[in-house]
Amino acid sequence: DTEVTQTPKHLVMGMTNKKSLKCEQHMGHRAMYWYKQKAKKPPELMFVYSYEKLSINESVPSRFSPECPNSSLLNLHLHALQPEDSALYLCASSQVDFLAGGGYEQYFGPGTRLTVT
Amino acid sequence: SQQGEEDPQALSIQEGENATMNCSYKTSINNLQWYRQNSGRGLVHLILIRSNEREKHSGRLRVTLDTSKKSSSLLITASRAADTASYFCATDGRYGNKLVFGAGTILRVKS
Repeated sequence: DTEVTQTPKHLVMGMTNKKSLKCEQHMGHRAMYWYKQKAKKPPELMFVYSYEKLSINESVPSRFSPECPNSSLLNLHLHALQPEDSALYLCASSQVDFLAGGGYEQYFGPGTRLTVT
Repeated sequence: SQQGEEDPQALSIQEGENATMNCSYKTSINNLQWYRQNSGRGLVHLILIRSNEREKHSGRLRVTLDTSKKSSSLLITASRAADTASYFCATDGRYGNKLVFGAGTILRVKS
């Protein structure tokens, strides 16, 4: 199974709402990622988890709160978002790069299209 | 922040023609990868080339890497309408798990 699933596919939320995005993979990957992608732009890395621990936070505002409850699941909790946070949120997974220079392909989910009103 | 620049930004060709996309990057890398994204969907990994490799093939895809010029190219031969998508290069630096994507090339293959 080489699939990464994301729910929901679409989400509309107000600026005072709290919502969560979910991501799941069953490939045994121990690295998981959140990316944000605005229209006609490349994906931008937000967070990286390695072995269920947060290893990279790309200075993301605290209104985005990631969580990795186990090796297969990754959540992104959203609170008090702004309209400019509307974007496609992509989850990905890969093997962990133990040695600098390892480099592994990342498997992406289909994304959650988020609209903040 | 974006590491790479890609050109052309958009490319429109006829089915059966070859498509070439270029990627330039700024800092030293360990690996360079190419991904495809169909409209509004997730990315699909196409090929990974390591910094000590110069050329790699996968089916109709050919990737070259020139680390002295900090550039890479993706060639798709005998293109098909189904190849219509955005194509991104992505580089990693010291930490292989952290990918930085180029701006992307939008490819349209007309049937």
